[in-house]
Amino acid sequence: NAGVTQTPKFRILKIGQSMTLQCTQDMNHNYMYWYRQDPGMGLKLIYYSVGAGITDKGEVPNGYNVSRSTTEDFPLRLELAAPSQTSVYFCASSPRGGGSSGNQPQHFGDGTRLSIL
Amino acid sequence: QKEVEQDPGPLSVPEGAIVSLNCTYSNSAFQYFMWYRQYSRKGPELLMYTYSSGNKEDGRFTAQVDKSSKYISLFIRDSQPSDSATYLCAGGGTASKLTFGTGTRLQVTL
Repeated sequence: NAGVTQTPKFRILKIGQSMTLQCTQDMNHNYMYWYRQDPGMGLKLIYYSVGAGITDKGEVPNGYNVSRSTTEDFPLRLELAAPSQTSVYFCASSPRGGGSSGNQPQHFGDGTRLSIL
Repeated sequence: QKEVEQDPGPLSVPEGAIVSLNCTYSNSAFQYFMWYRQYSRKGPELLMYTYSSGNKEDGRFTAQVDKSSKYISLFIRDSQPSDSATYLCAGGGTASKLTFGTGTRLQVTL
């Protein structure tokens, strides 16, 4: 039971470099999310997707891009890394629900710790 | 004002104590409330999930939601050292659009 898998676990980037954070889930969940977690700031939503081919911005999307070509995968792209993007990034997923009893909670991966120097 | 406010702690209690963790929220549209537990260097793990007001119990854990005062609580009975973690509360108009608190760090000592 893998759940939500994120790779890599750790990464150091130089300013201006680009990279893709990978996220895959094996629970056939429709909804997927990317958050960043900074000390004392809680989890902030970057982007989310309600299904393959559909993505939307969250609270802090600037500097990031996403795509969702399959149900399982939801990669997060940093094009020009900046020190302000040093953070822990979490991917999450949840099944689609309808009505008051159908909404389902999110399940998280173990994160990618990213440092930009 | 943050939409979800949570005391960061740390909160230190002896083993066996009853722990009370609390959050306040400001958005009246919130219907879904969750508590996540996060161990160091791990992802948040769902602990309790509540829709609208009321209580929900699961083993040693009880979640309470009071929508009239916009107050959510998590009680842990017979606390164990393994309960030492950061506890995140979250609320949302839907379960897919959550606003998280900053987390309360709990330390249960022997």
